[in-house]
Amino acid sequence: AQKVTQAQTEISVVEKEDVTLDCVYETRDTTYYLFWYKQPPSGELVFLIRRNSFDEQNEISGRYSWNFQKSTSSFNFTITASQVVDSAVYFCALLRRYGQNFVFGPGTRLSVLP
Amino acid sequence: GAVVSQHPSWVICKSGTSVKIECRSLDFQATTMFWYRQFPKQSLMLMATSNEGSKATYEQGVEKDKFLINHASLTLSTLTVTSAHPEDSSFYICSARNRDSQFQGLNQPQHFGDGTRLSIL
Repeated sequence: AQKVTQAQTEISVVEKEDVTLDCVYETRDTTYYLFWYKQPPSGELVFLIRRNSFDEQNEISGRYSWNFQKSTSSFNFTITASQVVDSAVYFCALLRRYGQNFVFGPGTRLSVLP
Repeated sequence: GAVVSQHPSWVICKSGTSVKIECRSLDFQATTMFWYRQFPKQSLMLMATSNEGSKATYEQGVEKDKFLINHASLTLSTLTVTSAHPEDSSFYICSARNRDSQFQGLNQPQHFGDGTRLSIL
């Protein structure tokens, strides 16, 4: 069975603080894909990143960075120097194969206070 | 880039009415579309998978007679909530799989619509 856990339900930080959102996944597949999506209050899902299971290289994109550790089945997301516009719900998701559906984690609601 | 159009964005209707939600891929062919439901402050849960030209596959606990799915073309899938009741109030979001995404090495295997907020009074 596939499962994604995001232990932090809600996080509040003050603007310019760094924040890390945790994601732990479970799968028996040897090949899979991991994703992070942002859902602002308007509801649409905004794609942030995809990571293949066979590529453990960490990635940085501007203020965003991701730490994928296969040994601990974790795919954590860090926002550096957070901004009010980062306030949203963030979902970690697992995809077994490209033709199948996403399995989403429960989401972490991030509030960045001015 | 790949765009999925979902309509309506929001709908409010009386209990007992039926509501149709459209999910349309605008610039790619979607052999598979997924329908998710999201209750307030909860995650997205898969309701059903629809493949063009065949019957939809429903997840356990989702009533197929209540949530009618039609995927008649490679660019359009519809979800009809029949005889809607207040407990059906939710955020419904579709995603469309670009059948060529994997072979093209695209980052996103599916593209999401912007969702439909359904409120049943």
